[in-house]
Amino acid sequence: DAKTTQPTSMDCAEGRAANLPCNHSTISGNEYVYWYRQIHSQGPQYIIHGLKNNETNEMASLIITEDRKSSTLILPHATLRDTAVYYCIVSHHSNTGNQFYFGTGTSLTVIP
Amino acid sequence: SQTIHQWPATLVQPVGSPLSLECTVEGTSNPNLYWYRQAAGRGLQLLFYSVGIGQISSEVPQNLSASRPQDRQFILSSKKLLLSDSGFYLCAWKGTANNEQFFGPGTRLTVL
Repeated sequence: DAKTTQPTSMDCAEGRAANLPCNHSTISGNEYVYWYRQIHSQGPQYIIHGLKNNETNEMASLIITEDRKSSTLILPHATLRDTAVYYCIVSHHSNTGNQFYFGTGTSLTVIP
Repeated sequence: SQTIHQWPATLVQPVGSPLSLECTVEGTSNPNLYWYRQAAGRGLQLLFYSVGIGQISSEVPQNLSASRPQDRQFILSSKKLLLSDSGFYLCAWKGTANNEQFFGPGTRLTVL
């Protein structure tokens, strides 16, 4: 079962920052936070992940609260191509599986 | 670089017919492999994962089975399809040097 909760949908104006929240209040100490997105009829695409520190890459930034019970994915300048369903997942690193349990995600619509 | 292939891309099958979906990974050795299913309008459900040849773990009881006859090949099967088996089937792999999963293009299965 998914261990995260996300808003069902969000809108964002093109060119503005999109801030997607995720609650993971039962996260354990060795679990990472992963973000993926899925454009309609395609496989999910990896965006970013983190453990405790904030992370940034060419796609997005990940802000994790100090207590690790929630996080926010930030797309700094949203474009129309960022319209997708965004999934927040918590998972521990393991050589025996590293299973991901997806919730229903947040459907982000970028508006022109 | 690593690539993941799934075929067929789409499939329409009658109820009670058998199923075989194939997933292959190139450019990596000894990956963890995963099968997910996404019903219409829903999130991804983990079905099976494999950490090596012949090693299959099932996440949910169901009408499907999985096999891993070769290191980079993962097969999803059914002896008799049900209407409820319709969905978007995604294969993913995880390498040994990282923990994020990378998804294939998916197979859209419609059972009539």
